[in-house]
Amino acid sequence: SYELTQPPSVSVSPGQTASIPCSGDNLGDKYGNWYQQKPGQSPVLVIYEDAKRPSGIPERFSGSNSGNTATLTISGTQPMDEGDYYCQVWDSNTVVFGGGTKLTVL
Amino acid sequence: QVHLVESGGGVVQPGRSLRLSCAASGFTFSGSGMHWVRQAPGKGLEWVALIYSGGGNQFYADSVKGRFTISRDNSNNMLFLQMNSLRADDTAVYYCARGPIGFADYWGQGTLVTVSS
Repeated sequence: SYELTQPPSVSVSPGQTASIPCSGDNLGDKYGNWYQQKPGQSPVLVIYEDAKRPSGIPERFSGSNSGNTATLTISGTQPMDEGDYYCQVWDSNTVVFGGGTKLTVL
Repeated sequence: QVHLVESGGGVVQPGRSLRLSCAASGFTFSGSGMHWVRQAPGKGLEWVALIYSGGGNQFYADSVKGRFTISRDNSNNMLFLQMNSLRADDTAVYYCARGPIGFADYWGQGTLVTVSS
């Protein structure tokens, strides 16, 4: 079965750029999607189909996908961006999630 | 706006069954695929099942295949998850989510299922 790998944690200073990678075999051949989840809340879609932002998601969130790595980038990171981030793909009629990355803004 | 409300969670003994429901509103339910996704306490997201808009196609995670059944009632804008032969490792918050097939764009608040004797 297909697997996605994320680092367990990423730290960033307020106002700086955070990059969260997600790796998988030939991931660039699939669409990468990203979700944000804050403690006690349901996940929220922040990027879909590699680089598209749903309505209401701030422009500081962007995505890219090439080769074996998809990346979620948060420019000008704010304290409110702290939370867990999950990458996800659709493969062989199944949804696959990465293990999640805890983003700390300090 | 899109609104998804899960219900039916609770405490159940191992080996027993439970049926989850998800009430949908604010969009054309009959035109949307729907997912169930779960999250064990302190763990990451795990996809459970997907049903296409017409209900004719269903897909499952290997961990629940043969035990869980996803279904829908498009007349009443309802999504269901029938869970049989429950195990301790099925303990999780269960979310219903609206899908385009490849991802989930709106999620409910979740319902907690605890499998314990």
